[in-house]
Amino acid sequence: NAGVMQNPRHLVRRRGQEARLRCSPMKGHSHVYWYRQLPEEGLKFMVYLQKENIIDESGMPKERFSAEFPKEGPSILRIQQVVRGDSAAYFCASSRQEHSTNEKLFFGSGTQLSVL
Amino acid sequence: KNQVEQSPQSLIILEGKNCTLQCNYTVSPFSNLRWYKQDTGRGPVSLTIMTFSENTKSNGRYTATLDADTKQSSLHITASQLSDSASYICVVSGPDKIIFGKGTRLHILP
Repeated sequence: NAGVMQNPRHLVRRRGQEARLRCSPMKGHSHVYWYRQLPEEGLKFMVYLQKENIIDESGMPKERFSAEFPKEGPSILRIQQVVRGDSAAYFCASSRQEHSTNEKLFFGSGTQLSVL
Repeated sequence: KNQVEQSPQSLIILEGKNCTLQCNYTVSPFSNLRWYKQDTGRGPVSLTIMTFSENTKSNGRYTATLDADTKQSSLHITASQLSDSASYICVVSGPDKIIFGKGTRLHILP
């Protein structure tokens, strides 16, 4: 049973381009969470999704950022017209049930986004 | 305001020594508290999870404590090893929120 898979591990984009980050949750997990981590900072919650539904997007910037978790395929975090401030490590996590229960949360290895 | 504060920010100890990391939180209502270990360039890995009624939980050389009255938790590492060098993150959950601490960066010296 493979863990949470994120790709790419490293992504370089020029300002104004689009970034697409992918996350395949663990088998049997239907809850996906996206986090952003800046150097020397803690993980910041962005969005919580279940299959085909956005449950909580309170941590998502209002513009340029979007997320989806389709019925088939990985969850996608999309950043349009990237700016230098978007440079960060983006982590995806998955669980079988909602994290506020005692369900364990499994993290991927992250995607390091660098905006030139 | 819901917050999770960890101390110290960083810690350096010699291999074989013990250490204790602290976590204070103001998250309310409270569901559970977790400690994660994050190696450089990797995602966090769960070490322990405790609910309101639990005041201690062990995972090998890691022992976490929780005082829900004072809203404090600690992570004690016994007989440290070089592989313990990592960031240790305290995460507090409520029914509808998950708050991450900034972590304690632990360096183990040979």
